Amino acid sequence: ETGVTQSPTHLIKTRGQQVTLRCSSQSGHNTVSWYQQALGQGPQFIFQYYREEENGRGNFPPRFSGLQFPNYSSELNVNALELDDSALYLCASSLASKMNTEAFFGQGTRLTVV
Amino acid sequence: DQQVKQNSPSLSVQEGRISILNCDYTNSMFDYFLWYKKYPAEGPTFLISISSIKDKNEDGRFTVFLNKSAKHLSLHIVPSQPGDSAVYFCAASVGREYGNKLVFGAGTILRVKS
Repeated sequence: ETGVTQSPTHLIKTRGQQVTLRCSSQSGHNTVSWYQQALGQGPQFIFQYYREEENGRGNFPPRFSGLQFPNYSSELNVNALELDDSALYLCASSLASKMNTEAFFGQGTRLTVV
Repeated sequence: DQQVKQNSPSLSVQEGRISILNCDYTNSMFDYFLWYKKYPAEGPTFLISISSIKDKNEDGRFTVFLNKSAKHLSLHIVPSQPGDSAVYFCAASVGREYGNKLVFGAGTILRVKS
């Protein structure tokens, strides 16, 4: 069973640039969620993708967007990067057809915006 | 609006003793609760969960208690081991919604001293 993997592990970008983060979900999981974890805080829900469509969104501006592919892998795109976007970005996969199920997280991508 | 609160930023416990981590929530729609453990440079790892139809769930050294009337849950670790030293996150979701969108607390740093 393959776990959740994210790439890259670390990234440094300049304010105003765009970034794409990638996530491969755990084998058999059809749902991917993205979370932002700022320093000293818990992860905050950005959005979720189920069967290639957005299935819920947290309180994040439209410059945060995503994609899910037929193999259930996913991308998080952030446009017009701001300094406050510096955070750990976590991807989690789960099986949406099963209620009350745990989500499994990847190791995260540490994004630094300078 | 913090719907899930972990009011203790840190906890220090002697090896072999009990660790008790607490979590409060405000949203009465939450009906599924999870605890995650996070080591530095890693993603959160699922530990244990509980549905709102139960008041206790046990898995080895870990037990989660849920008090719905008080909107409070706690994680007990007995006996505590040095390897348990990590950040512990409480999370909640509306389990009836497919996909398990999690709301996290800010985390509690547990230090187990040998």
